[in-house]
Amino acid sequence: EDKVVQSPLSLVVHEGDTVTLNCSYEVTNFRSLLWYKQEKKAPTFLFMLTSSGIEKKSGRLSSILDKKELSSILNITATQTGDSAIYLCAVGVLGGAGSYQLTFGKGTKLSVIP
Amino acid sequence: SQTIHQWPATLVQPVGSPLSLECTVEGTSNPNLYWYRQAAGRGLQLLFYSVGIGQISSEVPQNLSASRPQDRQFILSSKKLLLSDSGFYLCAWSHRRGPGNTIYFGEGSWLTVV
Repeated sequence: EDKVVQSPLSLVVHEGDTVTLNCSYEVTNFRSLLWYKQEKKAPTFLFMLTSSGIEKKSGRLSSILDKKELSSILNITATQTGDSAIYLCAVGVLGGAGSYQLTFGKGTKLSVIP
Repeated sequence: SQTIHQWPATLVQPVGSPLSLECTVEGTSNPNLYWYRQAAGRGLQLLFYSVGIGQISSEVPQNLSASRPQDRQFILSSKKLLLSDSGFYLCAWSHRRGPGNTIYFGEGSWLTVV
């Protein structure tokens, strides 16, 4: 059974801190690893990683995949209160009938306090 | 650009009543379509996926069903709701082909079974 584990489950930091969120996986037919940010409703897409060792950046957020260690990290520098959310890691695998499916971790709840 | 809509946004239904959640995608053709559920304290769980009209795959046994009557329409149904069906339901889509595809989510539907 495919498994995605995120740590920590929750995190409280002060504005300006840097945080690192972790995601590890055990899946068959790995195709990609994705990070999403979920505030009040639907998750919004942050990054998709398919190649090991190549960092993706968007503003203060960055992420990298390590296929050897079967893991990924999401870094947020100079955190702001608007970064407070649940961060979801998902691994994309090839499913039956040519489908592409995501298996999600339980998420890391990040709270940034002023 | 592609958009995805699902409705209703919020639903309160008595135990034993039927359910119908609808989702449509615009701006693309032949998408993969998905229904996920997010229960309190759990990660996103894939319920159904579809690679084409009338083609539905179920990931977990349950009293829910899905149908895809048109290429860009995906419906989640139940004949008799259970209390355990309460949760946040998300419709999602991805492009059909590619080594790793981003999955995009609709706004979500909150279902409370009372």
